[in-house]
Amino acid sequence: DAGITQSPRHKVTETGTPVTLRCHQTENHRYMYWYRQDPGHGLRLIHYSYGVKDTDKGEVSDGYSVSRSKTEDFLLTLESATSSQTSVYFCAISESVSSGNTIYFGEGSWLTVV
Amino acid sequence: KQEVTQIPAALSVPEGENLVLNCSFTDSAIYNLQWFRQDPGKGLTSLLLIQSSQREQTSGRLNASLDKSSGRSTLYIAASQPGDSATYLCAVDQGGSEKLVFGKGMKLTVNP
Repeated sequence: DAGITQSPRHKVTETGTPVTLRCHQTENHRYMYWYRQDPGHGLRLIHYSYGVKDTDKGEVSDGYSVSRSKTEDFLLTLESATSSQTSVYFCAISESVSSGNTIYFGEGSWLTVV
Repeated sequence: KQEVTQIPAALSVPEGENLVLNCSFTDSAIYNLQWFRQDPGKGLTSLLLIQSSQREQTSGRLNASLDKSSGRSTLYIAASQPGDSATYLCAVDQGGSEKLVFGKGMKLTVNP
């Protein structure tokens, strides 16, 4: 298995509270991604990073921010959680999908906003 | 905007059948197409990656083909087994970007 660790794996939080999900990799891959997976929508890209302090928006970035202060860590923050952000969040890593490299996914973080 | 479709959403078959899973995409300006497997409660595992210059890739009992001009890919599973039961997803990049677009997946059940 690719060395990707997501934390926490499960979290229940209240509407309006901030939440941070952490992704840690041991593979030294350049790119890191955050996806969410919802019934009826499939996987959708939230943000991705192409290096330390270098990030870009994905399809569903509103309400989310990210930071990458070290190559191995990529944080996803919900500044003020809403019920619509209840989802399963997956971190992924790759040397570059556009260059034909495999993308590896973490085990997921289940977030419930009540 | 790139859209990826997988039909049907679910398939149930007896063990031993040869299967064809379909994936279609609307924008042919892709660099790569990938097929993934997802087991319940788990992350995605990459099965096969086909670059746009290739027509097919094979791994064991799996064979994936790509017809870029028609916006279609198929994943062929030979001699299906109960252990193949999972959700299968395909994904394409958007014009060479890092932004993968996924289909909603097809849930496969192989009955013993």
